[in-house]
Amino acid sequence: SQQGEEDPQALSIQEGENATMNCSYKTSINNLQWYRQNSGRGLVHLILIRSNEREKHSGRLRVTLDTSKKSSSLLITASRAADTASYFCATDYNFNKFYFGSGTKLNVKP
Amino acid sequence: NAGVMQNPRHLVRRRGQEARLRCSPMKGHSHVYWYRQLPEEGLKFMVYLQKENIIDESGMPKERFSAEFPKEGPSILRIQQVVRGDSAAYFCASSPDVGLAGDIGELFFGEGSRLTVL
Repeated sequence: SQQGEEDPQALSIQEGENATMNCSYKTSINNLQWYRQNSGRGLVHLILIRSNEREKHSGRLRVTLDTSKKSSSLLITASRAADTASYFCATDYNFNKFYFGSGTKLNVKP
Repeated sequence: NAGVMQNPRHLVRRRGQEARLRCSPMKGHSHVYWYRQLPEEGLKFMVYLQKENIIDESGMPKERFSAEFPKEGPSILRIQQVVRGDSAAYFCASSPDVGLAGDIGELFFGEGSRLTVL
């Protein structure tokens, strides 16, 4: 499979704690993206990191990319109950063809 | 600027009937993707289209499934002779043409069409 795979499958934390999710993939990529999905809704784009970048920030989100290990991590700092959702990584490995992993289900307890 | 519009949001079909799912991409977007999601699972790529062209349909089942993106009007995902295993959420995403980096960048998703086959 060319898909990215997220780890862990599920994560439960207290409000205020940090949440870290990981994504591993198999082949060289052009870019890697993280998306969020609330239950019963469509996906919303969070952040994109290109293959020549190592780290990116957006608000409380921090994404790293290690192309030598074919892995990425998404860190959500100071989590809130509203961050409860599923988080997916998507890899663009074949020029504008995107594959999604199975997701990490994050539960932030108030 | 309206987002990606999918309809119907919910569709119930009996086995053997046809399902047609429609997707209107965001204004100015010429790339459309269809994905399928089973409960508690990730998105499975089905097909990638540009106006009037199928770019990649490697994720589409060989039979009963077809997709189009005509010059005018929405993209259509058509499932003929539906079976219970077709029950899923089908998501459409669109993107503009390639940017300065030479790639498309982010995808914009609709809210999905949930197909239930009885």
